[in-house]
Amino acid sequence: KAGVTQTPRYLIKTRGQQVTLSCSPISGHRSVSWYQQTPGQGLQFLFEYFSETQRNKGNFPGRFSGRQFSNSRSEMNVSTLELGDSALYLCASRRTGSSYNEQFFGPGTRLTVL
Amino acid sequence: QQQVKQSPQSLIVQKGGISIINCAYENTAFDYFPWYQQFPGKGPALLIAIRPDVSEKKEGRFTISFNKSAKQFSLHIMDSQPGDSATYFCAAQGSTGNQFYFGTGTSLTVIP
Repeated sequence: KAGVTQTPRYLIKTRGQQVTLSCSPISGHRSVSWYQQTPGQGLQFLFEYFSETQRNKGNFPGRFSGRQFSNSRSEMNVSTLELGDSALYLCASRRTGSSYNEQFFGPGTRLTVL
Repeated sequence: QQQVKQSPQSLIVQKGGISIINCAYENTAFDYFPWYQQFPGKGPALLIAIRPDVSEKKEGRFTISFNKSAKQFSLHIMDSQPGDSATYFCAAQGSTGNQFYFGTGTSLTVIP
């Protein structure tokens, strides 16, 4: 069974640009969550999508947005990039949106903002 | 505000020793507490998880100890091996929401 895949794996952008990251969940998983990982901050929750609807949202500015398609694939967009957006962005999928379902993480997209 | 506080930030243990990582939380609505292991270049992977109806859960060399009254839980790695060298994250989730709250991580190094 294929795991969670994220593309691209590495990305370099400059301040002010925008970026779109992609996540393909495990087949059959309908919930996709996005996290930002930075040294010292751990994993910060961005948002969760389930059946194309945003279910939860973390404390990030509106520059961070996402969407989910009918095949459960998800994209995350960051507009007007700032230096502080440099981080590893992780996507995780679950079978459903209910509690206690194990999350499976992808390898992440390493975003560097210059 | 950090919902889950994790310590220590880094840990160095001799091979064969016991590694202990601690986490504390405030929100009594949390009722699922997983630990994740992350190797460089990889995403976190679920290691072991516990619910507050038990005080301890063991899987091989990994044990979670849970103290509901103190709102603390810890990961014990017995007979630590160099292959255990990784970053470990604790997390918490409540039954009324789906969001996971993560600790800031512990970098474990097991020296031969």
